[in-house]
Amino acid sequence: DTEVTQTPKHLVMGMTNKKSLKCEQHMGHRAMYWYKQKAKKPPELMFVYSYEKLSINESVPSRFSPECPNSSLLNLHLHALQPEDSALYLCASSQPNRDTDTQYFGPGTRLTVL
Amino acid sequence: RKEVEQDPGPFNVPEGATVAFNCTYSNSASQSFFWYRQDCRKEPKLLMSVYSSGNEDGRFTAQLNRASQYISLLIRDSKLSDSATYLCVVISGSARQLTFGSGTQLTVLP
Repeated sequence: DTEVTQTPKHLVMGMTNKKSLKCEQHMGHRAMYWYKQKAKKPPELMFVYSYEKLSINESVPSRFSPECPNSSLLNLHLHALQPEDSALYLCASSQPNRDTDTQYFGPGTRLTVL
Repeated sequence: RKEVEQDPGPFNVPEGATVAFNCTYSNSASQSFFWYRQDCRKEPKLLMSVYSSGNEDGRFTAQLNRASQYISLLIRDSKLSDSATYLCVVISGSARQLTFGSGTQLTVLP
């Protein structure tokens, strides 16, 4: 089973709202990732969690706040977003091992900020 | 110079054609290489890993040339269902960070 699930599939929010994106995997992977993807562009890395600890933050604005409650779950808390934050937010997971570090992506949450 | 560069595309080919994509990377210490496929408004999905010895999966062949720092993907006998964006992916560094190429759009025409 190589499934990564994400909820919600679509989200529309105002600039004053607070919302959360959720990601779950049951492959026993110990690395999880958040990416942002704008139309016709490749995914851009936002955050990496390795063994439930934040290991990479790619200079993401503080209005995006990641959380990793356990090895299977990854959240992205959103607050005071801007319209330019509208994008597809992708979660991925991998096993941080030299030989098996393939990343598997969830279906994404399509976010629209009004 | 971008870390990972791909053919700009788009590629529009007839069904049954053979099409090849190339991708170059700048970090000679890069460790792992992949091709992902992304359909419109969907997530990237792993197509295949890429090895120096080359690997083949049906109509798809991937090759890595470490000396020249490029990877390639060959699709034979193109199908309409092959229409997608193909993303070259390189893993580098102690953090094993994944870097995407900009993607190459392929449209297979009937």
